[in-house]
Amino acid sequence: DIQMTQSPSSLSASVGDRVTITCRASQSVGNYLVWYQQRPGKPPNLLIYGASTLQSGVPSRFSGSGSGTDFTLTIASLQPEDFAIYYCQQSYSNPSFGGGTKVEIK
Amino acid sequence: QVQLVQSGAEVKKPGSSVKVSCKTAADTFSSYAITWVRQAPGQGLEWMGGIIPSFGIVKSAQRFQGRVTITADEFTGTAYMQLSSLRSEDTAVYYCARGVGLRYSTNDYLVNWIDHWGQGTLVTVSS
Repeated sequence: DIQMTQSPSSLSASVGDRVTITCRASQSVGNYLVWYQQRPGKPPNLLIYGASTLQSGVPSRFSGSGSGTDFTLTIASLQPEDFAIYYCQQSYSNPSFGGGTKVEIK
Repeated sequence: QVQLVQSGAEVKKPGSSVKVSCKTAADTFSSYAITWVRQAPGQGLEWMGGIIPSFGIVKSAQRFQGRVTITADEFTGTAYMQLSSLRSEDTAVYYCARGVGLRYSTNDYLVNWIDHWGQGTLVTVSS
């Protein structure tokens, strides 16, 4: 099974900050990497698939990059509604998720 | 608007079984996969398995094999996930979700991403 490791596990940031979350796969997953946002009490929401393709309706301040084993989710200017938990997931083989990164208000 | 509507919360005794339903539209059943993911309280996401209803291809995570049964009823557009031999560690919110970008191999498939999720079903296992 492919293990997904996210870092950091949590971070504190202010509105307007640029935020970067990293995700590392235990083996190459090509560009089969997906990012989700999850707010408390809600199901995950698709942000990015194919490592860098923005899902329709997702604000352009979100972007994804990387390939192989190392990936990044960037929020260009953090907004109040972005405080949530972010998960990466590989879809190269049967799905596995990273442990999540909680983005909190500083 | 794509909707996946799940059954309500359940409280179960250890050793029993639970069956969660997920109703969706006909086009989802004919063209996509239904994926099941669970989330224990305060924890991350865990893939359990899925089904392509139109082809009847079913798969499950190795750690659940022998305990999980995933089925689909094309006539009602409803998918089901049954988990047996419940233990306290199975207490979680169970989600169904629509898997898209299907890649096929013999008797198997992979989902490129999940684009819509059900609202979740809380299953509590307690004596």
